[in-house]
Amino acid sequence: TQLLEQSPQFLSIQEGENLTVYCNSSSVFSSLQWYRQEPGEGPVLLVTVVTGGEVKKLKRLTFQFGDARKDSSLHITAAQPGDTGLYLCAGVGGATNKLIFGTGTLLAVQP
Amino acid sequence: ETGVTQTPRHLVMGMTNKKSLKCEQHLGHNAMYWYKQSAKKPLELMFVYSLEERVENNSVPSRFSPECPNSSHLFLHLHTLQPEDSALYLCASSQDRNSPLHFGNGTRLTVT
Repeated sequence: TQLLEQSPQFLSIQEGENLTVYCNSSSVFSSLQWYRQEPGEGPVLLVTVVTGGEVKKLKRLTFQFGDARKDSSLHITAAQPGDTGLYLCAGVGGATNKLIFGTGTLLAVQP
Repeated sequence: ETGVTQTPRHLVMGMTNKKSLKCEQHLGHNAMYWYKQSAKKPLELMFVYSLEERVENNSVPSRFSPECPNSSHLFLHLHTLQPEDSALYLCASSQDRNSPLHFGNGTRLTVT
């Protein structure tokens, strides 16, 4: 069974702090997506990474796909309360070539 | 406006009731999905429709019955549910299988 483990599960920080969220698997993925889900809403796609070692930036968010395409990280610089939400990674590939979701990281940024 | 609209947003039903969840997408996508989101669990894929044909059914109990009358609409018919079925049910669409998903805001279902 393919698993995408995200860490940490929960994170509560103060506004202005930096943080990194990790998404790890033993499987290789052809692409990996990151979503953010705010309370009361559905997940919204932030970015897709497809090449090993790829780095993408979205304002204060930096996404990296591992060289071996088994893991990914999301780094947020100077977090703001608007960054609060559930961050989900989702990978396509492995034996099933289907999209599977990670376990999620719940981030709370205190003003 | 997410492009994917789900109704109702909240639903409380007894174990003997029959209800339906509705999803509509305005994005011209070819694939539609039902996901179940429970606390402390990864998103669980329930059903996938591609070009109105069901292409995936992930061992979902028969008390959940999907219907896709056309490429823009998806229903989830519910009957004789159990309390453990209480969850957020999310509909999503994508251009094709494995393309990024566009989610609706979900239906929060409580089974009493």
